[in-house]
Amino acid sequence: EAGVVQSPRYKIIEKKQPVAFWCNPISGHNTLYWYRQNLGQGPELLIRYENEEAVDDSQLPKDRFSAERLKGVDSTLKIQPAELGDSAVYLCASSPRDWRNTGELFFGEGSRLTVL
Amino acid sequence: AQTVTQSQPEMSVQEAETVTLSCTYDTSESDYYLFWYKQPPSRQMILVIRQEAYKQQNATENRFSVNFQKAAKSFSLKISDSQLGDAAMYFCAYFGSGGSNYKLTFGKGTLLTVNP
Repeated sequence: EAGVVQSPRYKIIEKKQPVAFWCNPISGHNTLYWYRQNLGQGPELLIRYENEEAVDDSQLPKDRFSAERLKGVDSTLKIQPAELGDSAVYLCASSPRDWRNTGELFFGEGSRLTVL
Repeated sequence: AQTVTQSQPEMSVQEAETVTLSCTYDTSESDYYLFWYKQPPSRQMILVIRQEAYKQQNATENRFSVNFQKAAKSFSLKISDSQLGDAAMYFCAYFGSGGSNYKLTFGKGTLLTVNP
């Protein structure tokens, strides 16, 4: 079974440019998370989806960040315009319908963003 | 808000020896889960071990075991017979169903080095 797939793995952009990250969760997983991981830190939640509904986006900087999960499967996270402080690894994770019984999330390899 | 604290930014251990990674957390919830996740240099986060708060028995998973002290809000990870492949960043994480809104809250991590 394929794991969580993210692309691109690496992205280098100039500040003020837009960037987008894509995530395809494990088949059948209805919950999808986007986390941001700064260098030397633990991941911090940006947004959580239950199917196509964003049920927790309280930590998403909505002035420049946006996310969508059309059809409740894959998801896109966009930053426009990017700032120097956005340099980080963006992690996508998914969990199955019974995740509340286990709490286990399955993570992708992440997308490393460098803003120059 | 729930917080997770890992007081050891870095730890090292000799191959075949035992090492303990520390974690404390703060919560007012009564029902929650605690996790240790491993993040090798490839960056994909992998679940190591899970502990349900209502269980008094400490979880074990092969060479990995935890010391869960609920009253002290302490959750340490013991790695026995350390192997070179254990070298990674280890994150302690909290998952609750109340005010934490079904999200994983991570500590800042402990970088484990295994010396041959």
